[in-house]
Amino acid sequence: NAGVTQTPKFRILKIGQSMTLQCTQDMNHNYMYWYRQDPGMGLKLIYYSVGAGITDKGEVPNGYNVSRSTTEDFPLRLELAAPSQTSVYFCASSYSLAGNQEQYFGPGTRLTVT
Amino acid sequence: GDSVTQMEGPVTLSEEAFLTINCTYTATGYPSLFWYVQYPGEGLQLLLKATKADDKGSNKGFEATYRKETTSFHLEKGSVQVSDSAVYFCALSRGTSYDKVIFGPGTSLSVIP
Repeated sequence: NAGVTQTPKFRILKIGQSMTLQCTQDMNHNYMYWYRQDPGMGLKLIYYSVGAGITDKGEVPNGYNVSRSTTEDFPLRLELAAPSQTSVYFCASSYSLAGNQEQYFGPGTRLTVT
Repeated sequence: GDSVTQMEGPVTLSEEAFLTINCTYTATGYPSLFWYVQYPGEGLQLLLKATKADDKGSNKGFEATYRKETTSFHLEKGSVQVSDSAVYFCALSRGTSYDKVIFGPGTSLSVIP
């Protein structure tokens, strides 16, 4: 099993450009999440999904969009990149939505917006 | 609101030294508590967890005890190895239905031979 995979690993964007961060999991998990991690801060939830076709906002959704057309894939879209979106982005998945369930994380995408 | 506080890093230890990384939390009710570890170039992975007061989570020689009276979940290991060099995240989650997981800022550990 590959687990959770993310592409790309690194990306530099210019202000106003757009891009999609890809996330795929092969564990047949219904629940998937996108987090961002800023230096010296904990992870903040951007969006999450409880199954194909169902998504919801987390703590910091502004400037991002998601879709979930399949169980495996949960891409994150940045439409108009801003310097404030410079961060490390993690995708995660879990078997259930219960509060004590383990989340499985991808290796992250380091994004710089200049 | 809920929050997690961790000791600031980076922490540098010699091999075979004793490790403690402090974690305290603020939350209503009875949250579940977690330690995640991120090795260089990899995603976070669950190290251990505890779901109720006085529970002890343990894995790979690491331990943490859920102390409700002090709202703490300190991570300990008796003898660290170079391979333990990583970033450690304390986290909490409440309830049996979804509630966002609150992560601490992470503590970077470097173990030198």
